[in-house]
Formats: sequence, structure tokens, C-alpha cells
Amino acid sequence: DGGITQSPKYLFRKEGQNVTLSCEQNLNHDAMYWYRQDPGQGLRLIYYSQIVNDFQKGDIAEGYSVSREKKESFPLTVTSAQKNPTAFYLCASSLAKGPYEQYFGPGTRLTVT
Amino acid sequence: EDQVTQSPEALRLQEGESSSLNCSYTVSGLRGLFWYRQDPGKGPEFLFTLYSAGEEKEKERLKATLTKKESFLHITAPKPEDSATYLCAVQGRQRGMDSSYKLIFGSGTRLLVRP
Repeated sequence: DGGITQSPKYLFRKEGQNVTLSCEQNLNHDAMYWYRQDPGQGLRLIYYSQIVNDFQKGDIAEGYSVSREKKESFPLTVTSAQKNPTAFYLCASSLAKGPYEQYFGPGTRLTVT
Repeated sequence: EDQVTQSPEALRLQEGESSSLNCSYTVSGLRGLFWYRQDPGKGPEFLFTLYSAGEEKEKERLKATLTKKESFLHITAPKPEDSATYLCAVQGRQRGMDSSYKLIFGSGTRLLVRP
């Protein structure tokens, strides 16, 4: 079955540590996205990538980094520079040249203490 | 600035009690309006895309409609399994970009359907 996988489902880290969240898709989509979801707020775009080896900052990119070395993979690193990293992180993908709906993975809940 | 506002924040219905969820939007050149369903602790599940005013789409007990300023998600005779948070998002034309990939999301409406 085609879809998007994110791992791990839950992640716990100490303050000051970098952590990498995995996102893989087998939908043959060109575009991939990372969102952050906080209680009572809408999803906010962190980074997105339209093609391999290229990505752009979203609205809240500070403290995050990404790479896009393969079409299927778009890992997100939450660095120690991110002031409030505890959140629910969602990865999505879509066809390029929209408007096309974005399909989401199951999410990773990151808790930093 | 592009903006999406959803109302109400929360809605409680009895099973079989039909109602509507509202999504008001402000966007510079609407390219698409999207509805998603999200269950607790899970990623959003795509429901509908609407492209232009007057368009309607249906899926089981759900029907989405679109005007130039808002969209409604009508729920007919809901069942407890329809309980979830419903998210609305818009995609607009961004100046200086060949194509806009950015979705602007509302905060969602939490729907609870009691048996």
C-alpha cells in the first residue's frame, strides 16, 4: 500500500540535544512538507521541498534543518536552537504543480525536557 | 495576509442531529480549499478539495460547499464514528513564486457525536 511513514511515533529528548525525525513516502510524490501542530493552533509549515536536493523555509524554520537527498525521504532535524521543540510533527507529500491535496503521515510526538 | 478561521471551536451533537461546520477564509487568489479529518494522535486524513465558488462534494454523510468567502462542511445524520477534529486549509497564489505549495490551516472544529 502506498503511503507516508514517520518514525518514531514518540520521541523523548533532553534539552540541548539535536534529534532527527524520519519521513518516507512511496506515493511517487515530488513535493514533501514538514508541519508542526500545537494544541489549539493550526498546522504551521516548517520546511518544504519541491524536488530532490532543493528545499525552502516555511513560516517557522528557525531551529530546524532538513535534507532531501532522495525523492522518497525528507528527514527533519530539530536542533538545540529551537526554543520550544515539544510538539506534534507531521510530514506530508503531494504531487508537484498544484493545487493538489497533501497527504499526511501518522506524526511524531516529540517531548523535550 | 492569508487567513483561515473555523467555527465553532467545538461542537457536540446527538447521533442523527445534522449540523454544519464553517470555514471562513481570506486569501489572495484561491487555488484550492481543502477539508481534512484528524483523529486524536493521528495525522490528518484528506476528505475534499474545492476549487471554485459554487462547487460541492459529497462523501457518505459529509458534504462540502464553497463560496467566495467561506466553506461549509455539512454533516447529515452523524454517527459516533464521525467524532474527530475537522481541519480546513486554503492554498492561494503567492507573489513571486511560480507555484504556491503553502497551505494555510485553520485551528479546526472538534466534533463530538454522542450515541
